Amino acid sequence: AIQMTQSPSSLSASLGDRVTMTCRASHDIRDDLGWYQHKPGKAPKLLIYSASTLQSGVPSRFSGSGSGTNFTLTISSLRPEDFATYFCLQDNTYPYTFGQGTKLEIK
Amino acid sequence: EVQLAESGGGLVQPGGSLRLSCAASGFTFTSSWMHWVRQAPGKGLEWLSRISVDGDRTSYADSVKGRFTVSRDNAKSTLYLQMNSLKAEDTAMYYCGREMVTDTLIDYWGQGTLVTVSA
Repeated sequence: AIQMTQSPSSLSASLGDRVTMTCRASHDIRDDLGWYQHKPGKAPKLLIYSASTLQSGVPSRFSGSGSGTNFTLTISSLRPEDFATYFCLQDNTYPYTFGQGTKLEIK
Repeated sequence: EVQLAESGGGLVQPGGSLRLSCAASGFTFTSSWMHWVRQAPGKGLEWLSRISVDGDRTSYADSVKGRFTVSRDNAKSTLYLQMNSLKAEDTAMYYCGREMVTDTLIDYWGQGTLVTVSA
């Protein structure tokens, strides 16, 4: 199975900060990757698909980049509603696999 | 609005069985491949299964192959996960997800249903 290594596991930041998190795939997955936001007790929300395409309705402060094995999610200016856990998912090869998640907390 | 609502979770003894349901609304269920994913306490997410629009093609993670069966009732817009021979390590929050029309990624998820396997 393709391993997805996500870092950091936690991140402390302030409102208005720019933050970046990464996922590294153990094999080339082209651009077959999505980024999600997950808040406790809620359904995960798709932010980015195909590594860099913003899902409809998602604010433009979210962006994704990368291809092959290295991928990045950037939030350009943190808002209060952005504090959550973020994870990546590769859909290139069965079984689909997830990053371990990045918990974004308020500093 | 796309909505997915899981149900059927609960406490079950090791070796027991449980059937989860996922009621879908707000989209054309018969046009969507569907998935099951779980998250054990304190662990990361684990993909479990995928099913085609008419239910004739399925895929499973090795960890559940032979014990779990995914199915769907398109007339009821409902996805199922039959779980047999349950183990303590199957304890998790179980989520259903809809696959995108233009991609194989999951775009909508339910809020999950908790399964606890314990004596």
